[in-house]
Amino acid sequence: AQSVTQLGSHVSVSEGALVLLRCNYSSSVPPYLFWYVQYPNQGLQLLLKYTTGATLVKGINGFEAEFKKSETSFHLTKPSAHMSDAAEYFCAVSALLTGGGNKLTFGTGTQLKVEL
Amino acid sequence: KAGVTQTPRYLIKTRGQQVTLSCSPISGHRSVSWYQQTPGQGLQFLFEYFSETQRNKGNFPGRFSGRQFSNSRSEMNVSTLELGDSALYLCASSLERTGEQYFGPGTRLTVT
Repeated sequence: AQSVTQLGSHVSVSEGALVLLRCNYSSSVPPYLFWYVQYPNQGLQLLLKYTTGATLVKGINGFEAEFKKSETSFHLTKPSAHMSDAAEYFCAVSALLTGGGNKLTFGTGTQLKVEL
Repeated sequence: KAGVTQTPRYLIKTRGQQVTLSCSPISGHRSVSWYQQTPGQGLQFLFEYFSETQRNKGNFPGRFSGRQFSNSRSEMNVSTLELGDSALYLCASSLERTGEQYFGPGTRLTVT
């Protein structure tokens, strides 16, 4: 079984400051990991993904995340926050199932607020 | 490529009624998954369809059902609606091997 823990349901940063959103996962098999962003009244947009290979993953809008197996973490960062980054962010884990297909298990989300 | 589309975007129903939501996946994507999003329970997996077959199922009552057509379009149905079914219902499509899922804008269902 897979699970995801996102530390901090609300994070507030100043515009131009570093963004760090924390995600820890639990998985019995090598995981696929994802970060999604959700703006109000919209669906989820894929920011970045880790499947195999390079552990530092770059995504859209200047975000990146590093897969650390030893720490079972996949934290999301952005060097300089912009007002447009204000949204809710979800970390998710997926594993391919023996019957085929996959299911995403999401964390509870982190609401990012960017202040002037 | 066009993204995942869902119709309708908003829906208001009365307790006891039934509702059908529709999802059109990204062209070429054969897997369609449905999720329910509520403030209290967060994002929960409902079911996944592939080649017109339900391949995986979440922990929801039998009132929630779905199907997939030969063109990969999918519908989900909720019968005997309850107030607790009020939620944002998200559809996602994916390629078989990559695991990443692309979401539609969702259908906001309100049950009164």
